[in-house]
Amino acid sequence: AQSVTQLGSHVSVSEGALVLLRCNYSSSVPPYLFWYVQYPNQGLQLLLKYTSAATLVKGINGFEAEFKKSETSFHLTKPSAHMSDAAEYFCAVSSNQAGTALIFGKGTTLSVSS
Amino acid sequence: DVKVTQSSRYLVKRTGEKVFLECVQDMDHENMFWYRQDPGLGLRLIYFSYDVKMKEKGDIPEGYSVSREKKERFSLILESASTNQTSMYLCASSTPGSGISTDTQYFGPGTRLTVL
Repeated sequence: AQSVTQLGSHVSVSEGALVLLRCNYSSSVPPYLFWYVQYPNQGLQLLLKYTSAATLVKGINGFEAEFKKSETSFHLTKPSAHMSDAAEYFCAVSSNQAGTALIFGKGTTLSVSS
Repeated sequence: DVKVTQSSRYLVKRTGEKVFLECVQDMDHENMFWYRQDPGLGLRLIYFSYDVKMKEKGDIPEGYSVSREKKERFSLILESASTNQTSMYLCASSTPGSGISTDTQYFGPGTRLTVL
């Protein structure tokens, strides 16, 4: 069965610092992997998506993620944090289980201080 | 741009009331989903639909039902609201692409429901 683990429910960085949000997955089949972002009082928005075309995936707002099969990881990074990046981030993996489509992690809240 | 709208941003209901949450998408998407989001639990799928009048139970369907009479509209129904159904409810839809589990989902802004 597929699963997703996001390490760290809360990450704090300073403006201009590197952002690293961790996601590990398990999947019995080649996965599709997603990062979604949720800004305060809004729904989720797709940041980026891995579909096996390339291991380094670039998304919106300067974010990127690298698929590492050997580590079963799909960590999200951004070289320089902005105040506007403060949000909750969800990693998700495609599911082949009946009754579900995507399996979401529990989320990581990113705080950015000036 | 894909637009998914939900009928209310905030809703307060009393225990035992019947509650309707409405979701409409404007991109002719086949698939629609209802999730609930709770702190520390992430998103959990309640129901989804892959066609008009078709529905599938998700992870936590108990206490909920759904209706999809038109392609663009997917309703979540709480037959008799209870306090443990206080939550954020998110609707999503997806394109009929490579598969229901691999397509990008587009989310509405959410409805924060409080049951007193």
